[in-house]
Amino acid sequence: DAGITQSPRHKVTETGTPVTLRCHQTENHRYMYWYRQDPGHGLRLIHYSYGVKDTDKGEVSDGYSVSRSKTEDFLLTLESATSSQTSVYFCAISEQRSSYEQYFGPGTRLTVT
Amino acid sequence: GESVGLHLPTLSVQEGDNSIINCAYSNSASDYFIWYKQESGKGPQFIIDIRSNMDKRQGQRVTVLLNKTVKHLSLQIAATQPGDSAVYFCAERQAGNQFYFGTGTSLTVIP
Repeated sequence: DAGITQSPRHKVTETGTPVTLRCHQTENHRYMYWYRQDPGHGLRLIHYSYGVKDTDKGEVSDGYSVSRSKTEDFLLTLESATSSQTSVYFCAISEQRSSYEQYFGPGTRLTVT
Repeated sequence: GESVGLHLPTLSVQEGDNSIINCAYSNSASDYFIWYKQESGKGPQFIIDIRSNMDKRQGQRVTVLLNKTVKHLSLQIAATQPGDSAVYFCAERQAGNQFYFGTGTSLTVIP
């Protein structure tokens, strides 16, 4: 397995509270991604990073922000969590040289009550 | 095959039979495609990829076919085993480095 960890693995929080999810990699891959997975929608891209301090929005970025101050860490922040952000969040990494393959972390299950 | 909706398409096959999972992609400009396998409670895992300048690619027990005319991908799994039971996703690479994923097909292998 690629060296990707996500923390926390499970979190329950209340509407309106800030939440930060962390993705950590030991592969030194340039690209890092945050996805959410919901029934009927598959995986949808929230934000991605193509280098330290270089990020861009994905398909469903509203309500989320990201930061990448080090190659190995990519943080996803929900400034004020809403029930619609209840989901499973996956981090992925990619080197994108010979292949665009993405390696996924184990996921974080977030419940906003 | 893939579909938009609340219910995941399902496919049940007998152990040892071949499985075919289908995917319709959306963008004729997509230049790269990946099939992923996701087991319950885990992140997606790469199976096989194919570039748009190819029609077919084979891996170990798996084959991906690409029909650009009708924007269709299929994943064929030979001699399906119980360990193949999972949800299978196709993903297409569009502009930049963004991938768009299908909703998935749930494969159940009957021993």
